[in-house]
Amino acid sequence: SQQGEEDPQALSIQEGENATMNCSYKTSINNLQWYRQNSGRGLVHLILIRSNEREKHSGRLRVTLDTSKKSSSLLITASRAADTASYFCATARTGANNLFFGTGTRLTVIP
Amino acid sequence: DAGITQSPRHKVTETGTPVTLRCHQTENHRYMYWYRQDPGHGLRLIHYSYGVKDTDKGEVSDGYSVSRSKTEDFLLTLESATSSQTSVYFCAISATGQSVPYEQYFGPGTRLTVT
Repeated sequence: SQQGEEDPQALSIQEGENATMNCSYKTSINNLQWYRQNSGRGLVHLILIRSNEREKHSGRLRVTLDTSKKSSSLLITASRAADTASYFCATARTGANNLFFGTGTRLTVIP
Repeated sequence: DAGITQSPRHKVTETGTPVTLRCHQTENHRYMYWYRQDPGHGLRLIHYSYGVKDTDKGEVSDGYSVSRSKTEDFLLTLESATSSQTSVYFCAISATGQSVPYEQYFGPGTRLTVT
């Protein structure tokens, strides 16, 4: 079963708007990661946030982590049509050597 | 996709036949993974390897076996393909340290159809 669950399952916004996606998980983690997948392609790593971090930025991406609520959010600011993709969170569960992926959020940015 | 190739990229096979998918990396990363991706399920781990000849099962390992005889190659075998194994298969690699998974790098995927 998936460790992470993304919300919403699908999101459609206008170019220039901000997009926020959420991820909830169930067990203690070492880190949480976000990935992007363009249609028909493999996943691409976007950002990793460790369990002792609360916020991290990378370009137009902002990730927050609340370990007390077992949740994370990914904010994409000033979205572009090229941001259209599926976004997945993945958790590195404490004691595990692998990641557990959620089912993803499908983001559509309308030009 | 740099540094990771998968072959074949597309395959159609018949039920009951064995199928082997190959993942090749040029990054010398220790960890390699095989996932399947199906609508509504996200990515699910089939098997992974933490070194040459060292492998472990993931959450959906039934009907699959793996082998890693060299650092750069990780093979996934469907022993007797079934229609439920129709899926897109992704290989990933990671330079994990001290048992804490770092970021993974994914191959382009193999689309397998079992008729």
